[in-house]
Amino acid sequence: AQSVTQPDIHITVSEGASLELRCNYSYGATPYLFWYVQSPGQGLQLLLKYFSGDTLVQGIKGFEAEFKRSQSSFNLRKPSVHWSDAAEYFCAVGPNDYKLSFGAGTTVTVRA
Amino acid sequence: NAGVTQTPKFRILKIGQSMTLQCAQDMNHNYMYWYRQDPGMGLKLIYYSVGAGITDKGEVPNGYNVSRSTTEDFPLRLELAAPSQTSVYFCASSYEQRGETQYFGPGTRLLVL
Repeated sequence: AQSVTQPDIHITVSEGASLELRCNYSYGATPYLFWYVQSPGQGLQLLLKYFSGDTLVQGIKGFEAEFKRSQSSFNLRKPSVHWSDAAEYFCAVGPNDYKLSFGAGTTVTVRA
Repeated sequence: NAGVTQTPKFRILKIGQSMTLQCAQDMNHNYMYWYRQDPGMGLKLIYYSVGAGITDKGEVPNGYNVSRSTTEDFPLRLELAAPSQTSVYFCASSYEQRGETQYFGPGTRLLVL
């Protein structure tokens, strides 16, 4: 069975500082991996996804993620956060596009 | 395009009541999904559909029913509402190709008292 673990429930970062959100997955084959962001009161928006090719994936809003098969990880990074990046971030894994398994999410707070 | 729309935005139900959460998409997506999101938890798949007339259970289907009579609409029915169904419900849709993005609606917040 597939599963996703996001070890950090809540992260606080200063505006302009770098951000890294951790995601570990469990899946027998090469998975489809996604990062979604949810702003307060909104639905989820896709930041980026990986299913083959270059293991460093660029997404929207200046985010990137790196797939590391040996570590079963797909960590999300941003070099310099903006106050508008305060949101909840979800990592998801699936064998296909549907039947995704989502992590519990990481809430990011940005302080001035 | 409106994308994925959901109604209502918020609803309070009494235990034992029933209701239908509406979901519509105008992107001609074949695949549609219903998730629930509980505090501190990731999204859990309730039901999904791969096309009109075809639905299947997800991870947490008990207490819910769905139908898919058209490509655009995918309503979720709650029969005999229970406090455990208090949650935020998200509808999503996607193209059928592998690896395609799921597009989410804004959610319906449901409180069962």
